[in-house]
Amino acid sequence: DTAVSQTPKYLVTQMGNDKSIKCEQNLGHDTMYWYKQDSKKFLKIMFSYNNKELIINETVPNRFSPKSPDKAHLNLHINSLELGDSAVYFCASSQEGARGSYEQYFGPGTRLTVT
Amino acid sequence: AQSVAQPEDQVNVAEGNPLTVKCTYSVSGNPYLFWYVQYPNRGLQFLLKYITGDNLVKGSYGFEAEFNKSQTSFHLKKPSALVSDSALYFCAVNTGFQKLVFGTGTRLLVSP
Repeated sequence: DTAVSQTPKYLVTQMGNDKSIKCEQNLGHDTMYWYKQDSKKFLKIMFSYNNKELIINETVPNRFSPKSPDKAHLNLHINSLELGDSAVYFCASSQEGARGSYEQYFGPGTRLTVT
Repeated sequence: AQSVAQPEDQVNVAEGNPLTVKCTYSVSGNPYLFWYVQYPNRGLQFLLKYITGDNLVKGSYGFEAEFNKSQTSFHLKKPSALVSDSALYFCAVNTGFQKLVFGTGTRLLVSP
């Protein structure tokens, strides 16, 4: 019973291509997130959705577009991929709590390599 | 800006010895603090959190952390380290609206 799942696990693609990463959670959580972890393991939030509504949108290039078809899914579409997009992308989910008192559950990550 | 700092890139400890992984925070208001662990090629796993109440928080796998308001610290501790504890540990603070800000991570290496 995987709580937060992501597909694909690995993604190798060329510059300029468009790709998508899918995320699903079966925890019944209201809030989902996308994080980017760079080669130095630094972890930074990109987006957050609550009940399909965008609530956090960090300074991410508009080539990145999240889509939430329902509250159990949050997909990440990336247009015109660049070398600097190479990273591990993590999806996460949590219950909605006052000021974020609930912990987040992370997926296994998608390692994106742009050549 | 609200942030957490992990001053050590790596902590080395022998198996069976106590371990401490340090974290300090800088927030306005009362902080919600978290520790997560990342094993190689895996996602982050939640260990423990401080929201309010008792300053000593107990979590998964025998880990605990002490919230110290005067020193603005939230150090992670374990009385007896295991080789299997070797991993990357992240401290994080919730800055409101469920936005987590992570520290830079500390690699824990437990030697047999």
